[in-house]
Amino acid sequence: EAGVAQSPRYKIIEKRQSVAFWCNPISGHATLYWYQQILGQGPKLLIQFQNNGVVDDSQLPKDRFSAERLKGVDSTLKIQPAKLEDSAVYLCASDPGGLKEQFFGPGTRLTVL
Amino acid sequence: RKEVEQDPGPFNVPEGATVAFNCTYSNSASQSFFWYRQDCRKEPKLLMSVYSSGNEDGRFTAQLNRASQYISLLIRDSKLSDSATYLCVVRGGTSYGKLTFGQGTILTVHP
Repeated sequence: EAGVAQSPRYKIIEKRQSVAFWCNPISGHATLYWYQQILGQGPKLLIQFQNNGVVDDSQLPKDRFSAERLKGVDSTLKIQPAKLEDSAVYLCASDPGGLKEQFFGPGTRLTVL
Repeated sequence: RKEVEQDPGPFNVPEGATVAFNCTYSNSASQSFFWYRQDCRKEPKLLMSVYSSGNEDGRFTAQLNRASQYISLLIRDSKLSDSATYLCVVRGGTSYGKLTFGQGTILTVHP
């Protein structure tokens, strides 16, 4: 079974530029998550989708971050404009719903200069 | 107070040692508990779920104390390959309950 796919794996941008990340969850998984992991910290949830609806975006900095999950499958996370403190690994995860195990993608490592 | 707190370590132990990690959580309505393992520059992967009765998987034993809101992980007979960051994870009380991660405990097992 294919795992969670993410692209790109690495991205370097300058502050105030825009960037977008893509995630393809495991087939059939209804719930999709985006996390931000800053070096030395645990992942922090940014947004959670159930199918194509948002369940929790309480920790998403909405002035600069946006995310969508059209058709309830793939998802994109966008940052516009980026700040230095956005440098982190952005992890996408999915699960089939309920209280089941989450599976993580390899992440996108973002460096903002 | 952080929702999930762990001792960040690092823990530096010789092969064959027994090491224990502790974790506390603040939300008494939390329903599910996990330990995830994260290797350097890799994504987190589930190590084991944690049940109230305690559970064991080979050299790994997890315990949950709901009254004290405390979770533990014990690793016996440590191997070099156990070197990683161990993340304590708590899930909320609804079917959509989000995962909340601790900051992770770094373990290095040396020869």
